[in-house]
Amino acid sequence: DGGITQSPKYLFRKEGQNVTLSCEQNLNHDAMYWYRQDPGQGLRLIYYSQIVNDFQKGDIAEGYSVSREKKESFPLTVTSAQKNPTAFYLCASSLQIGPALGNTIYFGEGSWLTVV
Amino acid sequence: AQTVTQSQPEMSVQEAETVTLSCTYDTSESDYYLFWYKQPPSRQMILVIRQEAYKQQNATENRFSVNFQKAAKSFSLKISDSQLGDAAMYFCASKQGAQKLVFGQGTRLTINP
Repeated sequence: DGGITQSPKYLFRKEGQNVTLSCEQNLNHDAMYWYRQDPGQGLRLIYYSQIVNDFQKGDIAEGYSVSREKKESFPLTVTSAQKNPTAFYLCASSLQIGPALGNTIYFGEGSWLTVV
Repeated sequence: AQTVTQSQPEMSVQEAETVTLSCTYDTSESDYYLFWYKQPPSRQMILVIRQEAYKQQNATENRFSVNFQKAAKSFSLKISDSQLGDAAMYFCASKQGAQKLVFGQGTRLTINP
């Protein structure tokens, strides 16, 4: 089935550790995104990528890093510099053709990260 | 910067009744898209409906419809014949550039049997 796969679904991080969340899509979408959701809140954009080997900071990029070496993959690393990483993380993708303004963004099932 | 505001943190409705969720947005662009997403307890974001700003006709998807008032920058979601499976968080979102969605804070919808 086509879709966006995030793993792991639950992840625990110790203080000072870096952890990486995986996101893979087989939808042949050009654009991929990472969002963070805190309890009772909406989603905030961390990073996005419109094409392989290129990515841009979103609204809350500090303490995070990404890579886009393959079209289908967009892993997110939560570094020790992120002081409050406990949250729900959602990966998303969209088809990017022409102006791309109206392309719907589709989401994965999310990953829970907890600091212990 | 674009903003999206949902003024109703929680709403409830009797099963089979109709409920309207409010959303206002702010933008300086003339071309943009608006979306309603549903987030059930599983936490996955599911697209409910989308509206192109250049279209005057309100979008409709089965029991879901929107009331798009461009001048007032209002984009409300109407759910008709509410079902228990409609219970979820609902997020309004705006997309101006090709890059990202901006989300409101969400409205938690409860369906009373």
